[in-house]
Amino acid sequence: QKEVEQNSGPLSVPEGAIASLNCTYSDRGSQSFFWYRQYSGKSPELIMSIYSNGDKEDGRFTAQLNKASQYVSLLIRDSQPSDSATYLCAVNPGGATNKLIFGTGTLLAVQP
Amino acid sequence: DAGVIQSPRHEVTEMGQEVTLRCKPISGHNSLFWYRQTMMRGLELLIYFNNNVPIDDSGMPEDRFSAKMPNASFSTLKIQPSEPRDSAVYFCASSLVVPGRYGYTFGSGTRLTVV
Repeated sequence: QKEVEQNSGPLSVPEGAIASLNCTYSDRGSQSFFWYRQYSGKSPELIMSIYSNGDKEDGRFTAQLNKASQYVSLLIRDSQPSDSATYLCAVNPGGATNKLIFGTGTLLAVQP
Repeated sequence: DAGVIQSPRHEVTEMGQEVTLRCKPISGHNSLFWYRQTMMRGLELLIYFNNNVPIDDSGMPEDRFSAKMPNASFSTLKIQPSEPRDSAVYFCASSLVVPGRYGYTFGSGTRLTVV
């Protein structure tokens, strides 16, 4: 089992719809969770972080965390073609380490 | 702030040659990470440093890979000898000290092609 799993997609949504991206992780002791966006040929950029169970909203983005189910999600409201990218889920395993384990990413395509 | 600076942006080399990738982290950040990204395996952590000290090098694929951080503003990743399977995009990232509480900032990456 991979440590951080994501559906590779592509996830295709029409412009203006809600895109829902999901991620599961295997280490129950994981403490911190991040979503990165990566455009083709570019480097990953941080868009959201979440540390506690529940929802965290930032503009059109909402991150959701459920530690009991070991599940993290990212909702993008009013999706735009410019949101088309690969979305990477990253997890800090906790303890003394500050490394991040990344999923392989979900490719999102927003259709105009 | 100039962000994390990596060089070169692209590197094409012949199998068996030595390759050195360079990284300058963001000033004030004291954790530095080297990742490798391929289509098949995604982003893999190779090694990371805290306060210039290597903490976890369990992701370094084999002895052909080595990394150094001689000071807070510079790190290198060296591959000697290089092989075609080393072809990938190598990212350097840096972060602030609080473990796990801040995401990384990535550099633009070095696209390495070994022929």
